[in-house]
Amino acid sequence: DIQMTQSPSSVSASVGDRVTITCRASQGISNWLAWYQQKPGKAPKLLIYAASSLQSGVPSRFSGSGSGTDFALTISSLQPEDFATYYCQQANSFPPRFGQGTKLEIK
Amino acid sequence: EVQLVQSGAEVKKPGESLKISCRVSGYSFTSNWIGWVRQMPGQGLEWMGSIYPDDSDTRYSPSFQGQVSISADKSISTAYLQWSSLKASDTAMYYCARGLTGDGGRYFDYWGQGSLLTVSS
Repeated sequence: DIQMTQSPSSVSASVGDRVTITCRASQGISNWLAWYQQKPGKAPKLLIYAASSLQSGVPSRFSGSGSGTDFALTISSLQPEDFATYYCQQANSFPPRFGQGTKLEIK
Repeated sequence: EVQLVQSGAEVKKPGESLKISCRVSGYSFTSNWIGWVRQMPGQGLEWMGSIYPDDSDTRYSPSFQGQVSISADKSISTAYLQWSSLKASDTAMYYCARGLTGDGGRYFDYWGQGSLLTVSS
């Protein structure tokens, strides 16, 4: 199985800040990576797929980058509604696996 | 509008059986994979398995193979997740999710609201 490791596990930031969350795969996955946002008590929401493709309806302040084993999700200017937990997911090989999550909290 | 509507919360005893459902609307049910994802209390997301409703091709995570069964009924656009003998460790929120069109269902673009399962004696 391919293991996914996110860092940091939690981060505190302020509205307007630029934040980057990283995800590392235990082996190369090309660009087969997605990012999801989950708010408490809600289902996850797809933000980015294929490492850098923005899902329809997702604000352009979210962007994804990376290939191979190292990936990043960047939020260019944090908005109040962005405070949530973020998960990466590898989709290169069976079984698809999620990272452990990064909780983005208000400073 | 694409919607995935899941069955409600369940409280069961260890050893009991259960089948939860995920009814879809707003797109052709047979055109996309449907996956099931577990989230244990306070924990992250785990992919359990997926089904392609058109031909019922089903794939399971090794962690869940033999522990659950995934099925689909095309006539009512509904996918199911089933247990034959529940354990306390099955207590979790379960989500169904639609596989993104064109990528073999590897990403999940629409999600159900979740079905909370509590297993306790």
